[in-house]
Amino acid sequence: GAVVSQHPSRVICKSGTSVKIECRSLDFQATTMFWYRQFPKKSLMLMATSNEGSKATYEQGVEKDKFLINHASLTLSTLTVTSAHPEDSSFYICSARTSGSSSYEQYFGPGTRLTVT
Amino acid sequence: AQSVAQPEDQVNVAEGNPLTVKCTYSVSGNPYLFWYVQYPNRGLQFLLKYITGDNLVKGSYGFEAEFNKSQTSFHLKKPSALVSDSALYFCAVRPRRGGGFKTIFGAGTRLFVKA
Repeated sequence: GAVVSQHPSRVICKSGTSVKIECRSLDFQATTMFWYRQFPKKSLMLMATSNEGSKATYEQGVEKDKFLINHASLTLSTLTVTSAHPEDSSFYICSARTSGSSSYEQYFGPGTRLTVT
Repeated sequence: AQSVAQPEDQVNVAEGNPLTVKCTYSVSGNPYLFWYVQYPNRGLQFLLKYITGDNLVKGSYGFEAEFNKSQTSFHLKKPSALVSDSALYFCAVRPRRGGGFKTIFGAGTRLFVKA
């Protein structure tokens, strides 16, 4: 099946710094990528949807200037948490989808655990 | 508003017994239906999906799910649970039309299988 990777899997950063998380589709072209945030023992919260080559669409309540998303190619999307604060600590999961007849399929990355100290 | 409900936060079952994890949805049209499993500190792994056809869908690791249109339910089942099935399970629904084609996730149900 299709594989989505995320890097890093775990990151600890100091408050006020920025952190970049990469999401790659390894064996398919991802026309759409999604970024989710998951709080402990909670469901996934969609943060934003990005289509290759265009600006991301953010969900209500998600600060676009804080969570910068770039989908520069069909295999790579990045999420940058700017000026991170402890409340940004969370598990971030990306997901990718192709276009075409299989577009109902979503493939998930393994997640990135962000801890802001 | 469109939603997915997993009424049980937690399901406990003894190894070897059948298990059911419930899911109902309120989404217009005939949405695509999915089940995913999540192990600690991992992303979501696809278990099975319903797109069309037979209401009973078979998926990975011996899991199956039954689509019931009149009850708008898509319960996950397994005839004989294993300790290794212990994980967090998410039901997900995606509209075929509208809603930005976004996937809606349930809150998740934690499954504990006791040896």
